[in-house]
Amino acid sequence: TQLLEQSPQFLSIQEGENLTVYCNSSSVFSSLQWYRQEPGEGPVLLVTVVTGGEVKKLKRLTFQFGDARKDSSLHITAAQPGDTGLYLCAAFYSGTYKYIFGTGTRLKVLA
Amino acid sequence: DVKVTQSSRYLVKRTGEKVFLECVQDMDHENMFWYRQDPGLGLRLIYFSYDVKMKEKGDIPEGYSVSREKKERFSLILESASTNQTSMYLCASSKEGYRRDTEAFFGQGTRLTVV
Repeated sequence: TQLLEQSPQFLSIQEGENLTVYCNSSSVFSSLQWYRQEPGEGPVLLVTVVTGGEVKKLKRLTFQFGDARKDSSLHITAAQPGDTGLYLCAAFYSGTYKYIFGTGTRLKVLA
Repeated sequence: DVKVTQSSRYLVKRTGEKVFLECVQDMDHENMFWYRQDPGLGLRLIYFSYDVKMKEKGDIPEGYSVSREKKERFSLILESASTNQTSMYLCASSKEGYRRDTEAFFGQGTRLTVV
C-alpha cells in the first residue's frame, strides 16, 4: 500500500509554462518534505512544511500543505530546463520512525 | 555540511554472493535508512534504524539484513544476491525520531548489478 500518492507521474512541458504536482495521503502528517533528485544522485531537500495551510516559496517554486495536513502541492511558475528532475514528497509515517516517500513525479522542461 | 557517504557508486556482483553496502554519516544523526529505487516504483524502504544496534523492517526487507554497530555506520547486507536485487540503493540519515522539522540527507547511491 502506497501511503503517499503523487500525481502526475510524468510531466513534459515547454519552458515558461506553469505546473502543479500533488502529493496525497489518507494519513495525517506532522510535517512533509519535498525533494528533487537528479539522475545518478540522491534526493536533495527543497522544503519542509509543518503547519496546516502553510505556504512556502522558494524562488519560482510554491509549496502548500493542506489544511488537514494530509496533502501537499508544489507549483512551479515559468518552468525552466533547470527544473527538470524527479520530484518526491516524503514524511514520517504517523507515530513511527518510518520515513516514506511518494511515488514521484518526473518533470521534463523543454527549451 | 551534512555528509552521507556510501562506499561504492557502482558494484557488480554474481548471483549467490554475499554483498555488503556501507553507509557512513558525519552529523551524529540518530536515524538511518536504506532504500532501493527502481523505475516506476519510487523509493522503497528496506530497513531503518533509530539507534545503535536497533533495526526495524521497512516495506521490503526480504533478502536483506542490516547492521548498526556504531552510530555513524549503517550497513546493508544482501545475504545471497539475486538478479532481482539489481537496483539503485540509497542510504539516508536524519535527526532523532519524527521531529516536525526532520529532513533526510542522502548519499549519492550505489548502483548494484547482480549478474
